[in-house]
Amino acid sequence: GENVEQHPSTLSVQEGDSAVIKCTYSDSASNYFPWYKQELGKRPQLIIDIRSNVGEKKDQRIAVTLNKTAKHFSLHITETQPEDSAVYFCAASKIPGGKLQFGAGTQVVVTP
Amino acid sequence: GAVVSQHPSWVICKSGTSVKIECRSLDFQATTMFWYRQFPKQSLMLMATSNEGSKATYEQGVEKDKFLINHASLTLSTLTVTSAHPEDSSFYICSGYPGQGKEDGYTFGSGTRLTVV
Repeated sequence: GENVEQHPSTLSVQEGDSAVIKCTYSDSASNYFPWYKQELGKRPQLIIDIRSNVGEKKDQRIAVTLNKTAKHFSLHITETQPEDSAVYFCAASKIPGGKLQFGAGTQVVVTP
Repeated sequence: GAVVSQHPSWVICKSGTSVKIECRSLDFQATTMFWYRQFPKQSLMLMATSNEGSKATYEQGVEKDKFLINHASLTLSTLTVTSAHPEDSSFYICSGYPGQGKEDGYTFGSGTRLTVV
């Protein structure tokens, strides 16, 4: 089955700096790669996703890149703010709506 | 946007009792619902996939007789933790998929914090 690895497990950045989280996946058939933000005790919230026919997608301060050949994808947050502090999960599935395999998560701490 | 309503948000039960968790899709029909378990500071681990009108598909290592899943309608899926034990204490969360074009992505319930004493 699919295996998703995520690094780093924790990331501390100064407010205004950029944060980058990287994930690799094992199943070349995976085609859908969402990123979720989860605050303590709350549900995961989709922040951005990318499909395999796209190499990069951007939404304001958030961007995701995908390298299908290398089977890795990354989340980039620019101009970080304290409210960006949370746990971020990458995930992969073969099709939108199919089983999601999550990475282990990255605790992001943005210090003022 | 698409909403999945999950209840209860938290529950404390005694060892040996059963607990039912409900997830309802409020504005879309969920033919499939995914059930996850999350331990503190860990990732979401898929337990099973519930399918409307048919048996659930369980992930390897998940006891189907302990975690009973029912998906009797297009808007309701339930997870029953039977004969609960302290090691079943966890955060349980469901997820449905409204379909492409509906704000994309899966929508998650708010989760249920189960504590077994």
